[in-house]
Amino acid sequence: DADVTQTPRNRITKTGKRIMLECSQTKGHDRMYWYRQDPGLGLRLIYYSFDVKDINKGEISDGYSVSRQAQAKFSLSLESAIPNQTALYFCATSHSGSTDTQYFGPGTRLTVL
Amino acid sequence: AQKVTQAQTEISVVEKEDVTLDCVYETRDTTYYLFWYKQPPSGELVFLIRRNSFDEQNEISGRYSWNFQKSTSSFNFTITASQVVDSAVYFCALTGVDSSYKLIFGSGTRLLVRP
Repeated sequence: DADVTQTPRNRITKTGKRIMLECSQTKGHDRMYWYRQDPGLGLRLIYYSFDVKDINKGEISDGYSVSRQAQAKFSLSLESAIPNQTALYFCATSHSGSTDTQYFGPGTRLTVL
Repeated sequence: AQKVTQAQTEISVVEKEDVTLDCVYETRDTTYYLFWYKQPPSGELVFLIRRNSFDEQNEISGRYSWNFQKSTSSFNFTITASQVVDSAVYFCALTGVDSSYKLIFGSGTRLLVRP
């Protein structure tokens, strides 16, 4: 079984809909992250969480919210989806060290029409 | 502020050729960490290597090798005798105090290995 899982893997939705992307991990890591990938822009950090009670905004948090339900679960919500949120979304995890390697989930491809 | 530049947007080679992917970084830190990730056509991100700024030894893993040169702020990745399965987008990334330990990615290099 994969260490970091994301659901759904693909989602098509309409403008204005609320969407939740979920991430679960079995690696026992403390830290979890949400990124989005757009063509030619690499990955950009949306939110990150160092533990259940510590959640921080990343580079592009506007229009997104997150919830860390447990050490192993970190969900990303789009309260009112818009077309420019169409992207590939990745969840990642790492140990508690600041420079520890981040391991990524398989990604969720989201299309907002 | 930290920055990672991968100037090569796309590279196309014929199988068995050697290919080098360039990565140039900027940071004010004296201690920092560099990474390479591979994103095959299936879309997942696969960790390849992590290197800290104190260790300038080159690293070889099978057909993969990495050349880290602090003097030129570069961390280049070479694939020897490329194979079709090496076709992917490769990302270089950097973290350190300068970015509050957030992982800063380059824009990626798409490698196409033709049979």
